Amino acid sequence: GAVVSQHPSRVICKSGTSVKIECRSLDFQATTMFWYRQFPKKSLMLMATSNEGSKATYEQGVEKDKFLINHASLTLSTLTVTSAHPEDSSFYICSARVLTARAEQYFGPGTRLTVT
Amino acid sequence: AQTVTQSQPEMSVQEAETVTLSCTYDTSESDYYLFWYKQPPSRQMILVIRQEAYKQQNATENRFSVNFQKAAKSFSLKISDSQLGDAAMYFCAYRSAQGGSEKLVFGKGTKLTVNP
Repeated sequence: GAVVSQHPSRVICKSGTSVKIECRSLDFQATTMFWYRQFPKKSLMLMATSNEGSKATYEQGVEKDKFLINHASLTLSTLTVTSAHPEDSSFYICSARVLTARAEQYFGPGTRLTVT
Repeated sequence: AQTVTQSQPEMSVQEAETVTLSCTYDTSESDYYLFWYKQPPSRQMILVIRQEAYKQQNATENRFSVNFQKAAKSFSLKISDSQLGDAAMYFCAYRSAQGGSEKLVFGKGTKLTVNP
């Protein structure tokens, strides 16, 4: 149980276009999902916390107009990178919080974004 | 703000031997959770082990165990009988137990190599 999927796994886009990444909890409901960014050989950096039915909470330094997050249902959160630039190229990972007392977070497999 | 420090960027171990990965953290809170996550080359983050700060007993999961020293704010991971499949990046993470503070704070990671 507790499987999280991400789609697409890899995406290449041209500079100036927008890209949407989906994060789904497949076998559980998640009121809270998290979006991380990971640079090569670096740790995960939390970008924002996504709450179902409400606005996302962004970490300091993360542009909310650049990285649009929508958590429309208990199993789906989306991250849209708007007007992408080469510096947005990175590995994006989502996680979903399980609704149990232990409140574990389970991670998706990640999305490799390359902006040319 | 809480911080997590992993002082070993890289470690190596012979197959079947034991290795210990270090982690220290800084917090003023008394109740929190600590985690070790594994990130193999596939980039999928996998929860290895979890420790509640209020528990004195060290957590164990098969070949994985921790040495949790709350006063010293230390949380090391011991891998026994190392296997080739244990090769990965290992991240130590902290999460507050306070309601509404669900985000994980990660260390920079330790790259573990297992030599046959």
